[in-house]
Amino acid sequence: NAGVTQTPKFRVLKTGQSMTLLCAQDMNHEYMYWYRQDPGMGLRLIHYSVGEGTTAKGEVPDGYNVSRLKKQNFLLGLESAAPSQTSVYFCASSPRPGREAFFGQGTRLTVV
Amino acid sequence: GQQVMQIPQYQHVQEGEDFTTYCNSSTTLSNIQWYKQRPGGHPVFLIQLVKSGEVKKQKRLTFQFGEAKKNSSLHITATQTTDVGTYFCAGPSVYSGGGADGLTFGKGTHLIIQP
Repeated sequence: NAGVTQTPKFRVLKTGQSMTLLCAQDMNHEYMYWYRQDPGMGLRLIHYSVGEGTTAKGEVPDGYNVSRLKKQNFLLGLESAAPSQTSVYFCASSPRPGREAFFGQGTRLTVV
Repeated sequence: GQQVMQIPQYQHVQEGEDFTTYCNSSTTLSNIQWYKQRPGGHPVFLIQLVKSGEVKKQKRLTFQFGEAKKNSSLHITATQTTDVGTYFCAGPSVYSGGGADGLTFGKGTHLIIQP
């Protein structure tokens, strides 16, 4: 049982480049989340989804886009990467709000 | 918006000493969750507290939820090197529609253990 899988695990981008982070979960969870973690800032919610075909903004959505075309997948896109987007990105899923969130292993992104 | 504050940010202890981290919310919480993140790892769920004044134990870990459901604490008795990591509290957050859609995390307490 894989749980929540993120790809890639590491990535270095040049300023202005684009990329997509993939999150896949095999637990049939409705809710999926993208967080970023920065030193001293804890985990901050970027975007989330309450089900297939839905997305919504979290606390820090600017510069990111997301899509949830399939229930098991949640994609996070950076259209034009900036150094301020250097961070560790975590995807998480949950069967419903207020329940335990299961996190992926994280993606360490560096924008130079 | 909702804020979840956690103190201390860092805690250095000698192995065998006790450790406590505190979490305070600006709003009343329906529940609170605690997560542990090992260095280089991802957050892992520890426990959820729901009832006012609730106390739960997991071996050497004791979790409390305040009577007003605005604060919580995690206490570790006799720390071991395996306890090293960052401990986060998290409460339900509202971003749209009025329902609790996600989790707002505190900034975490880094537990550093000196052997």
